[in-house]
Amino acid sequence: GQSLEQPSEVTAVEGAIVQINCTYQTSGFYGLSWYQQHDGGAPTFLSYNALDGLEETGRFSSFLSRSDSYGYLLLQELQMKDSASYFCAVSANQAGTALIFGKGTTLSVSS
Amino acid sequence: DTGVSQDPRHKITKRGQNVTFRCDPISEHNRLYWYRQTLGQGPEFLTYFQNEAQLEKSRLLSDRFSAERPKGSFSTLEIQRTEQGDSAMYLCASSSIKDGFYEQYFGPGTRLTVT
Repeated sequence: GQSLEQPSEVTAVEGAIVQINCTYQTSGFYGLSWYQQHDGGAPTFLSYNALDGLEETGRFSSFLSRSDSYGYLLLQELQMKDSASYFCAVSANQAGTALIFGKGTTLSVSS
Repeated sequence: DTGVSQDPRHKITKRGQNVTFRCDPISEHNRLYWYRQTLGQGPEFLTYFQNEAQLEKSRLLSDRFSAERPKGSFSTLEIQRTEQGDSAMYLCASSSIKDGFYEQYFGPGTRLTVT
């Protein structure tokens, strides 16, 4: 089967750093994506890793280790507006095909 | 670029009725995807198109579900003989070869409630 595991909830305070882990077990692997979804909103793309290593985009970074079937999303300098659900998603085939999503991690940022 | 749009935003129907949803992707996006999301879960892939060709369908997509993208622009998703288990948010997304298809742009979704 296909499965992605991520923590269900994470809490943090403004200005802190938080890491959301994702482990995956899929029939194939081409890349790992991260999406953010606010309550009532559409998922929005944050990052994509196809190769091992760290990708940095502003306050957000994403890491991938293909040998460990593991990745994480790192959020720095947390702001209240970062309170949302974060999903990791695997492209099991080539990029641009079906995404297999995890169940999501709800991040709550408090002041 | 006005983003992905979906219509209607909300649909309430009685069990056994047929419903049809529409998705307008970002113009010139080659690929269009349908996902379904229930509360507390991540989106589940249903199907995707490249231009007008339907390239992949999930096993989740029963015979009651059909999707089309007749001219490679907008797409429709029809559910026949709806069941209460079909209640969910139906999300449409599109992507472009210009971006390497890495990023899928999601629409606001159609929330279906089957009573």
